[in-house]
Amino acid sequence: GQSLEQPSEVTAVEGAIVQINCTYQTSGFYGLSWYQQHDGGAPTFLSYNALDGLEETGRFSSFLSRSDSYGYLLLQELQMKDSASYFCAVGGYQKVTFGTGTKLQVIP
Amino acid sequence: DSGVTQTPKHLITATGQRVTLRCSPRSGDLSVYWYQQSLDQGLQFLIQYYNGEERAKGNILERFSAQQFPDLHSELNLSSLELGDSALYFCASSVGLPNTGELFFGEGSRLTVL
Repeated sequence: GQSLEQPSEVTAVEGAIVQINCTYQTSGFYGLSWYQQHDGGAPTFLSYNALDGLEETGRFSSFLSRSDSYGYLLLQELQMKDSASYFCAVGGYQKVTFGTGTKLQVIP
Repeated sequence: DSGVTQTPKHLITATGQRVTLRCSPRSGDLSVYWYQQSLDQGLQFLIQYYNGEERAKGNILERFSAQQFPDLHSELNLSSLELGDSALYFCASSVGLPNTGELFFGEGSRLTVL
């Protein structure tokens, strides 16, 4: 089966940097994705790592270590609008399994 | 707008009833996924279809069933509804099998069972 662990809640100050960690156990691993979901909204894709290393997309970066079954999402220059839930997800051959989500609260 | 369309957006029904949720994937996407999200919970994978064929099943109850039609739209049927089935049901699509990690989600169908 597949399981993912991430912190349930994180609070950070506007303008700061926050890192959301994700550890996973899976078979048939293709890559690690990150999604953002605002309350009541649809999840939206942020990034994908298939290989070890750092991927940068604007203020967001994502890291993967396949040997450690670990990844993280790094959000820089936090803005109030970044307050949302963030999900890591493991892509396998047949399906994408999501973690339980990390609720990020950005405070002034 | 992700290009994935789900109907209805909201649905209120009673226990014991049956409902059908509909999903139209993005143009060109062959894979459709269904997820259930209960209040303040994660996304629970239900089932996946690729080009009309069932490819993967998650924690889908026997009271639930789904299919993908030749025009690639999909329907999720929920029967003998219970209070605990109240949730947001998301459909997502991708071009092929999910090895690129990017799914496009619809806005969801919010089901309330009274």
